[in-house]
Amino acid sequence: KAGVTQTPRYLIKTRGQQVTLSCSPISGHRSVSWYQQTPGQGLQFLFEYFSETQRNKGNFPGRFSGRQFSNSRSEMNVSTLELGDSALYLCASSLTASSYEQYFGPGTRLTVT
Amino acid sequence: KNQVEQSPQSLIILEGKNCTLQCNYTVSPFSNLRWYKQDTGRGPVSLTIMTFSENTKSNGRYTATLDADTKQSSLHITASQLSDSASYICVVILGNNNDMRFGAGTRLTVKP
Repeated sequence: KAGVTQTPRYLIKTRGQQVTLSCSPISGHRSVSWYQQTPGQGLQFLFEYFSETQRNKGNFPGRFSGRQFSNSRSEMNVSTLELGDSALYLCASSLTASSYEQYFGPGTRLTVT
Repeated sequence: KNQVEQSPQSLIILEGKNCTLQCNYTVSPFSNLRWYKQDTGRGPVSLTIMTFSENTKSNGRYTATLDADTKQSSLHITASQLSDSASYICVVILGNNNDMRFGAGTRLTVKP
């Protein structure tokens, strides 16, 4: 069974631009969670989607948004990029919402210049 | 102040030696505690998941302990290997809304 895939793996953007990251969960998994990881803040929860509905949301500004499609694939969007948005963005999938077992993808490394 | 504190921040040990990583938390209500291993440039991989009633759980050379009364957990690595070099992250899941609290991680380096 294929693991969680994230595209693109690396991305360079400039301040003010917007970016869309994609995550394909493990086949059969219906929950997708997004995290931001930076050296200074560590791992921080962004949001969780289950059956196309946002179930939980972390403490991030409205510039960060996401959605989930009927096939469970998910996208997250960051608008008006800031230098501080440079981070590794991780996606994790699980069978059900807030499941014990989460499987992480390799992440998308976003650099904002 | 981080509600999940991990120590040490970094650790260097020789191949074949044992080590223990610590995780202390203050958050509640507690649902479960997870240890993840994250290799550089990769996503975290789950090592153990422990609920309130579990004191010890092993996964190969990794053994996690949990004392829910003192709100302390440890991850013991036996007979370390070079491939154990990674960051180890402790995560506490809250019982009310499944909110997650992450530790800052311990960076382990195993040298030959």
